[in-house]
Amino acid sequence: QKEVEQDPGPLSVPEGAIVSLNCTYSNSAFQYFMWYRQYSRKGPELLMYTYSSGNKEDGRFTAQVDKSSKYISLFIRDSQPSDSATYLCAMSDQPSYNFNKFYFGSGTKLNVKP
Amino acid sequence: DAGVTQSPTHLIKTRGQQVTLRCSPISGHKSVSWYQQVLGQGPQFIFQYYEKEERGRGNFPDRFSARQFPNYSSELNVNALLLGDSALYLCASSGLTEAFFGQGTRLTVV
Repeated sequence: QKEVEQDPGPLSVPEGAIVSLNCTYSNSAFQYFMWYRQYSRKGPELLMYTYSSGNKEDGRFTAQVDKSSKYISLFIRDSQPSDSATYLCAMSDQPSYNFNKFYFGSGTKLNVKP
Repeated sequence: DAGVTQSPTHLIKTRGQQVTLRCSPISGHKSVSWYQQVLGQGPQFIFQYYEKEERGRGNFPDRFSARQFPNYSSELNVNALLLGDSALYLCASSGLTEAFFGQGTRLTVV
């Protein structure tokens, strides 16, 4: 069993839709959670970083962490064609300044249609 | 401010050859990590260096090695290249909290 599971998609939605992306994990020691966006053949771009349960909002993006269920989500409101990319969840049991061995999901490919 | 820079962006090598990839972290960041991303998968951790010392190593063979220099830049070396080493190699730079990735070096082994 992989430590982080993520539905690979592809997920296709119309412009303006609310998108929900999810990951589950098995290691209860994970405390730090990140979402990255990766365009084709580019490096991952950090979208959200959180280290606690609950919600964190940044513009059109909301990250949600439920440690009791070992489940994290990323919501994108008012999705745009420019949001079309692969979304990677990542997590760690230590803060990145100390030891940044992140465990990544396999990524969900999102396509937002105009 | 410049982000994480990696060089080269692309390269093609033959099986059995050796390759060196380079990374310059964000100014002020002392930690550099290397990841391998095979097409269709998430990045896999290879190494982390902090203050020029190895902090961690992933499940990769000894053909993979790395080092960090006094200016915190880093090199990843891969010896005796195999076809399966073809991947996007990513460098991550981190400060107190988040980690930021470079654009990667795409290595093709033929």
